[in-house]
Amino acid sequence: EAGVAQSPRYKIIEKRQSVAFWCNPISGHATLYWYQQILGQGPKLLIQFQNNGVVDDSQLPKDRFSAERLKGVDSTLKIQPAKLEDSAVYLCASSFYPSGGGRTDTQYFGPGTRLTVL
Amino acid sequence: AQSVTQLDSHVSVSEGTPVLLRCNYSSSYSPSLFWYVQHPNKGLQLLLKYTSAATLVKGINGFEAEFKKSETSFHLTKPSAHMSDAAEYFCVRGDSGAGSYQLTFGKGTKLSVIP
Repeated sequence: EAGVAQSPRYKIIEKRQSVAFWCNPISGHATLYWYQQILGQGPKLLIQFQNNGVVDDSQLPKDRFSAERLKGVDSTLKIQPAKLEDSAVYLCASSFYPSGGGRTDTQYFGPGTRLTVL
Repeated sequence: AQSVTQLDSHVSVSEGTPVLLRCNYSSSYSPSLFWYVQHPNKGLQLLLKYTSAATLVKGINGFEAEFKKSETSFHLTKPSAHMSDAAEYFCVRGDSGAGSYQLTFGKGTKLSVIP
C-alpha cells in the first residue's frame, strides 16, 4: 500500500512570508497528525485530526499556524507569517483507528517537508 | 507532563558488535512505548512497540526491547550492528486523553556504526 505522501519536500522562504504544506495519508486512515521537528530534537505534535474534525490543537501556535482537513482525507498546514524559529521539518502521520478510547495504534509517517526561513 | 528520556545523544559501535540504546520513561499507570528509527531524509519508521502483552518485544531488523517497570526503562538492543543501522533512534511514549492519543518523543540517539 502507498505510504503517507507529503509535498513539497523542501521549501525556502523569507521571514514574514507565508507557506503551505500538503499531506495525503494512507487510504482509509481516520486520524491524521502534523508534527514539527526542530533540528536536534524529537518531533512535537502540532495538531491531530480525526476524520475532518480537530481533536487536539493545544500545541499549535494559532496566531500564525492553521491547518485543515476539509473532506477527512488530505490536509494542509499553513504558516503566515513565518518566523526564523519556524525552520524545521514538518512531518505528517496517519493511523487507522480513531484516536482515544485507550487504543494503541501505530502511526505511519511521511518523509516530511524541510522548511528553511531566512 | 509525561516524558521519555534518552540517556545518550550519540552512540558509536563497531560493525558486528552489540547495540544498546537507553530510554527511561516517566511513570504512568499504563504506558505504551515505541521505538522509531529515522534514516537521513527519510520518514520515521516503527521498529517495535510495547502495549503490555509481553515485556520482551521483538521488532524488525533484529532489534528488541525489554520493558522493565521497576526501572521505568525500555532499552533497545541488537546483538550485532550492521552498517545499515546507522540512523537516529527515538524512544516514544503514547498516552490516551479525552478523545485524543498523543505521542511524546525523546530527543533522539544518533547511532554510528564503524566499519
